[in-house]
Amino acid sequence: QKEVEQNSGPLSVPEGAIASLNCTYSDRGSQSFFWYRQYSGKSPELIMSIYSNGDKEDGRFTAQLNKASQYVSLLIRDSQPSDSATYLCAAPTGANNLFFGTGTRLTVIP
Amino acid sequence: GAVVSQHPSWVICKSGTSVKIECRSLDFQATTMFWYRQFPKQSLMLMATSNEGSKATYEQGVEKDKFLINHASLTLSTLTVTSAHPEDSSFYICSASASGTGVNNEQFFGPGTRLTVL
Repeated sequence: QKEVEQNSGPLSVPEGAIASLNCTYSDRGSQSFFWYRQYSGKSPELIMSIYSNGDKEDGRFTAQLNKASQYVSLLIRDSQPSDSATYLCAAPTGANNLFFGTGTRLTVIP
Repeated sequence: GAVVSQHPSWVICKSGTSVKIECRSLDFQATTMFWYRQFPKQSLMLMATSNEGSKATYEQGVEKDKFLINHASLTLSTLTVTSAHPEDSSFYICSASASGTGVNNEQFFGPGTRLTVL
């Protein structure tokens, strides 16, 4: 089992809808999780971090963490075409590093 | 805060030459820097992890003599692709991490360097 797994998509949602991106992880001891956004041809950009069970909101983004079920999700409300990108989930390793998922490609249709 | 720069942003070179890519943390001290490679439409691939003042740790399958990494200071790491060949053409991205900037293991990425070897 991979350390971090994501559905590669593509996920398409209409403009204004909620986009839901999901990620599962295998290390039950992981304490912190990250969501990165990567536009085509660009490097990843950190958009959310979460380390407590429950929800964390930042503008139109909400990260949700459920440690018992070992999943973390990212909700994007009022999706915009500019949100179209690949979203990477990441969880720490024991070596001061991060495991990155393969990414979910999101397309927001105008 | 937490800005990472890379130079150059793109480079084209002839086969057999060496190319050096610089990665700098501009507003924080990076105890650890990471080098990734990404081929078109593929995932990030970690190449190596480097800590300031010590030898880099390379991932399995990455030739340490071909991809030379130097992390001479807390704000600068360099990746040198030696004797580059067309198959080395890729998008090289560095990231930096520092304790005390926030949640553990948080990494901040540079903008990447696109290498094309002719």
